[in-house]
Amino acid sequence: DAGVIQSPRHEVTEMGQEVTLRCKPISGHNSLFWYRQTMMRGLELLIYFNNNVPIDDSGMPEDRFSAKMPNASFSTLKIQPSEPRDSAVYFCASSLDSLFNEQFFGPGTRLTVL
Amino acid sequence: KNEVEQSPQNLTAQEGEFITINCSYSVGISALHWLQQHPGGGIVSLFMLSSGKKKHGRLIATINIQEKHSSLHITASHPRDSAVYICAVQRGGSNYKLTFGKGTLLTVNP
Repeated sequence: DAGVIQSPRHEVTEMGQEVTLRCKPISGHNSLFWYRQTMMRGLELLIYFNNNVPIDDSGMPEDRFSAKMPNASFSTLKIQPSEPRDSAVYFCASSLDSLFNEQFFGPGTRLTVL
Repeated sequence: KNEVEQSPQNLTAQEGEFITINCSYSVGISALHWLQQHPGGGIVSLFMLSSGKKKHGRLIATINIQEKHSSLHITASHPRDSAVYICAVQRGGSNYKLTFGKGTLLTVNP
């Protein structure tokens, strides 16, 4: 299996622009997570989906952030408009639909907002 | 106070040394995860445990549920073990959310 796939790996954009991050989970995994990692705050859960349905989005910073999972093999995280404080590494992870299964992380997208 | 505390924050060792990284948490959990992150790299899950001890190669993870404490041990450390090690807890019940510690930066010198 190819593992969790994220694109792009690096994104540099200007403040105010729309940014879309993409994730393809491991085939057969029912749970998908979006995380953000910064030096100041470490890893934080933004949102997680179970069977393509958003279950908990309490970690989404504000209305500028939105996430979708139109099918079991694809999810997007969108930031519109982007701000410099959104600069971070964004990770997507997936797991089997079970309480006691580990999460598999993608390689991350390093976002820089100028 | 953070729900998940790791110690030490930074650790430097010589190749071959036995290494211990500690994790304490303050909430009821269903599982605890140890993750590894190489500089500039992705995150790899090392262990998920809810009781006792697990071993994989030179890595050993233990957990004491009563004391709300877990340790990650590395035997015969090697420079390739240099990475950030992150402890994360999964709360009890049907909650899949992970709460992360700040990480421990391990540097193993040859």
